[in-house]
Amino acid sequence: DQQVKQNSPSLSVQEGRISILNCDYTNSMFDYFLWYKKYPAEGPTFLISISSIKDKNEDGRFTVFLNKSAKHLSLHIVPSQPGDSAVYFCAANRNFGNEKLTFGTGTRLTIIP
Amino acid sequence: DSGVTQTPKHLITATGQRVTLRCSPRSGDLSVYWYQQSLDQGLQFLIQYYNGEERAKGNILERFSAQQFPDLHSELNLSSLELGDSALYFCASSPVVMNTEAFFGQGTRLTVV
Repeated sequence: DQQVKQNSPSLSVQEGRISILNCDYTNSMFDYFLWYKKYPAEGPTFLISISSIKDKNEDGRFTVFLNKSAKHLSLHIVPSQPGDSAVYFCAANRNFGNEKLTFGTGTRLTIIP
Repeated sequence: DSGVTQTPKHLITATGQRVTLRCSPRSGDLSVYWYQQSLDQGLQFLIQYYNGEERAKGNILERFSAQQFPDLHSELNLSSLELGDSALYFCASSPVVMNTEAFFGQGTRLTVV
């Protein structure tokens, strides 16, 4: 039962444009959402998070949007840079972090120079 | 560098064997998590320890076990290995029980032949 879904295995975006990565979840008990970035041969690195009491969180070039009614979140990267090429994992947990993280399968983002 | 150290980085072993993966969390972090990433899959939560005590269990097989020692390092023991156990095994740590913004190690790539 995949409770966190990233339906796009890959995405290519031109440098300087906006990258939008999507994530859907099925468990309405999730109340904290995170995005991790992973380079080859490295562990995932925390990028940005959002709690269910918000619908937007921004950190520099990265913005996460949460639509609770649609059980959907998205990560916007603008402008996209070559160093953003990586696999992005969406993750969620319950009880504001007091339970395990459930990860999606990841989206491989390629930024085209 | 996340501050989480995993050894070994690579491990090749035969079916039926037993291996131990080691994780040293970031200095001061009390919580350790183990995740498994099989090919093209998301990160599957295996188990969490907090200050030496088991805190949460995920889809961990009975052939697998883990522990966290008084110095807070953790070991994941995998026994009676099967071909399907080949995967990347990640350890992550965080200061508290809350599984937010956990910091991941580089992973151990296990290949069972």
